[in-house]
Amino acid sequence: NAGVTQTPKFRILKIGQSMTLQCAQDMNHNYMYWYRQDPGMGLKLIYYSVGAGITDKGEVPNGYNVSRSTTEDFPLRLELAAPSQTSVYFCASSYREVNTEAFFGQGTRLTVV
Amino acid sequence: GQQVMQIPQYQHVQEGEDFTTYCNSSTTLSNIQWYKQRPGGHPVFLIQLVKSGEVKKQKRLTFQFGEAKKNSSLHITATQTTDVGTYFCAGTGGYQKVTFGIGTKLQVIP
Repeated sequence: NAGVTQTPKFRILKIGQSMTLQCAQDMNHNYMYWYRQDPGMGLKLIYYSVGAGITDKGEVPNGYNVSRSTTEDFPLRLELAAPSQTSVYFCASSYREVNTEAFFGQGTRLTVV
Repeated sequence: GQQVMQIPQYQHVQEGEDFTTYCNSSTTLSNIQWYKQRPGGHPVFLIQLVKSGEVKKQKRLTFQFGEAKKNSSLHITATQTTDVGTYFCAGTGGYQKVTFGIGTKLQVIP
C-alpha cells in the first residue's frame, strides 16, 4: 500500500522554467491537496480538489495550476518559476474534507535559481 | 480570516523533561487535528479532537481541546529523543476551512 506518492523528490529549476509535480494516491480518496512549506513556517494550502474534475484555490494559488482528471492523480503545474517558489511541496489526500486524517506524500524539495 | 496561532515556535528540552505546545484559534473550531513531522519528513497524523473539553491520551502524549473549542494543547511527559520533530495543529473552522498552525519544533537534548 503506497499511500500518497510524489515525484520528483528534489528538483532545481531556473527562473522562468516550468515543471509539473506529480502526485498519486491509491486509497480512493476524493479529497486531495497541495501545500507548500517554507522554512520555519507552517503549511500553506495552494490548491485542493474534492473529486475528479473539481479543483479550487487555496490560500496561495498564484503561480500554480492544477488538474484532476482522475481520482488518483493531482498534478501541480508551475509556470514561469520564480525564486519565491523555492519551497517544499506536499501533496495530501483524505477520505473527506473534515473529520478525517490527511495522508501526506514524502514531499518535493524545489529550488528555483 | 481564520487564524491558528501556535506557541512556542521552538523548544529545547533535556531528555526526560516534559513539553507542551499550545494552539489558539481566532474562531471557534469544529475540530482540531495534531500532526508530527520528523526532520526531513512529512507530516503524520497523530489525533483528532472534536468535543468541547475533550482529552485524549496516546502513551506519553496528552491532547486537550478547550471548553470553548478555540484552543488546544499537546503535552508530552518525559520526553525521549524519538519525540524530536515539529508538531503542528490544524483547526477546522467556518466553511470547513482547515488552517495549520506554524508548528512547534522540539529538540530533545540527550
